[in-house]
Amino acid sequence: GAGVSQSPRYKVTKRGQDVTLRCDPISSHATLYWYQQALGQGPEFLTYFNYEAQPDKSGLPSDRFSAERPEGSISTLTIQRTEQRDSAMYRCASSLGGNRNYNEQFFGPGTRLTVL
Amino acid sequence: AQSVTQPDIHITVSEGASLELRCNYSYGATPYLFWYVQSPGQGLQLLLKYFSGDTLVQGIKGFEAEFKRSQSSFNLRKPSVHWSDAAEYFCAVGGGSYIPTFGRGTSLIVHP
Repeated sequence: GAGVSQSPRYKVTKRGQDVTLRCDPISSHATLYWYQQALGQGPEFLTYFNYEAQPDKSGLPSDRFSAERPEGSISTLTIQRTEQRDSAMYRCASSLGGNRNYNEQFFGPGTRLTVL
Repeated sequence: AQSVTQPDIHITVSEGASLELRCNYSYGATPYLFWYVQSPGQGLQLLLKYFSGDTLVQGIKGFEAEFKRSQSSFNLRKPSVHWSDAAEYFCAVGGGSYIPTFGRGTSLIVHP
């Protein structure tokens, strides 16, 4: 697509429910990143993918968080048994990737998650 | 571990005035440094980056930043601010993986 899109843009859920967030990267981009941005803070790295591979999950805050990118394009971030502290903006970014050189990350508009 | 400090949470300037947003970083080697802008309802957009070479970096929208190794700083500047520059600005530092560590951001308010 023309840019990175994310859905839903807003999600309100009750504590204990599972949520799944979706990211559709720029179509030619091999690398996809997920970030969590709490209110009043900068984005914090969660995980990233090179195509289907997920080389780094070090930023995932607990085993309740998981991400997939099964066909190397669209990615989902799932949070199980949500807690109020999970409330944040979840941002996705993509880049050309595929090599060890720097490629600019292009960010989506984010999904605002509120856990009641 | 790498980290970024943006000491100003809010900055207010008048339209047409000059702007400087402060950024200090901590990193064990030569850092990669970035400035991003986030407008309401939009994703983050890269304004400029420093990897090596000339320490004064030009970016989009008339912004520039200067890398000062001795001060561990990478301050963002613009000579004349426009009302459309009102947004949240994030400084970030990265290493070999190019995955940035972001500061908490500075909110820029522009008065007419």
